[in-house]
Amino acid sequence: GAGVSQTPSNKVTEKGKYVELRCDPISGHTALYWYRQSLGQGPEFLIYFQGTGAADDSGLPNDRFFAVRPEGSVSTLKIQRTERGDSAVYLCASSLGTSGSGEQYFGPGTRLTVT
Amino acid sequence: AQRVTQPEKLLSVFKGAPVELKCNYSYSGSPELFWYVQYSRQRLQLLLRHISRESIKGFTADLNKGETSFHLKKPFAQEEDSAMYYCALKGHTGFQKLVFGTGTRLLVSP
Repeated sequence: GAGVSQTPSNKVTEKGKYVELRCDPISGHTALYWYRQSLGQGPEFLIYFQGTGAADDSGLPNDRFFAVRPEGSVSTLKIQRTERGDSAVYLCASSLGTSGSGEQYFGPGTRLTVT
Repeated sequence: AQRVTQPEKLLSVFKGAPVELKCNYSYSGSPELFWYVQYSRQRLQLLLRHISRESIKGFTADLNKGETSFHLKKPFAQEEDSAMYYCALKGHTGFQKLVFGTGTRLLVSP
């Protein structure tokens, strides 16, 4: 079946602009995660949704970052007033289970470049 | 605080040689430990998890709570094992996020 998909695959934007990154999880997966991977680093947790609600947003670096999952499926990560330091690969993952205890399946990522 | 340390950025071996990718963790409790792998131009995928106690593609990893380590081992490396390997930890008390190490690139030469 189809895995986790993310769009766009690449996004180049100017400093100060607003961007939206989209994640389509595996059908039926109730848990959804966003991670950010900077060059030479491992993925770093941003936010975790269980259904429509953000169960843990402790990884969001500041209030320029926001994520939604209004219908419990597709999620959008929104970044306002982008900065060059936001340049990274943004990964989405989803998993089965109401407790989010299942294996996390990762998408291909969106490479964001802020110029 | 939760932390995962992978001390080697690059590990280069010849085909048929044994491989050990090191992973140490810091966590006050009983975590779940994982190894994820990313082959060239592919997405990150789970290789194995400590609770399964299984061997995947010839790789094994044993959780050593005394040394807080979860090293990944394979007795005979193959060229197709060349990839980026990430060790990751998940806490046991309702926090579902994965904490990753910085990764080790394994390069297996013919």
